[in-house]
Amino acid sequence: GQQLNQSPQSMFIQEGEDVSMNCTSSSIFNTWLWYKQDPGEGPVLLIALYKAGELTSNGRLTAQFGITRKDSFLNISASIPSDVGIYFCAETTGNQFYFGTGTSLTVIP
Amino acid sequence: GAVVSQHPSWVICKSGTSVKIECRSLDFQATTMFWYRQFPKQSLMLMATSNEGSKATYEQGVEKDKFLINHASLTLSTLTVTSAHPEDSSFYICSARPSGSSYEQYFGPGTRLTVT
Repeated sequence: GQQLNQSPQSMFIQEGEDVSMNCTSSSIFNTWLWYKQDPGEGPVLLIALYKAGELTSNGRLTAQFGITRKDSFLNISASIPSDVGIYFCAETTGNQFYFGTGTSLTVIP
Repeated sequence: GAVVSQHPSWVICKSGTSVKIECRSLDFQATTMFWYRQFPKQSLMLMATSNEGSKATYEQGVEKDKFLINHASLTLSTLTVTSAHPEDSSFYICSARPSGSSYEQYFGPGTRLTVT
């Protein structure tokens, strides 16, 4: 299967700080997706990116589809306690769907 | 909109028994549903893809005779873990793709299976 590596693996930040995480792929894909998973829950889609270079925002979240189509980053501005969770990037082509290794975010009030 | 439910949310069963997990798309039709497995602090691993009315496609290393998938309608897929063993204990998550969509997937809340 495809290799999707996320970094950092975990982050501990103070409330109010900005967060940046990224995801790199061994292959080129046409769609990048960013999900957040709360403990004991299924992932929830945050942002979807469909073309190289695309920059999309959703509230305090901003994500970009890398020009090489092999990477993507997710930024969270002014973090709040409810941002805590695991963030996954994912790639999909048709019926194939691959999740990244995840970035665990802890926000310290 | 785009709500996916799973039942049960958690189940404890004895080794050797079978467990059925249901995945329903509540407000949309889903031609394709996916089943994932997630171990603690790890990512989601795709187990199989099921298309309504046809046999599921299993990922490499997933035993199709152990993890039986049935996608009998456009709103329901079931995963049956047969002859469960403690190593099958995991968090099982389904997702559903709305009919006509190429990329969207909506995830269920997951089912925690513990085999004793």
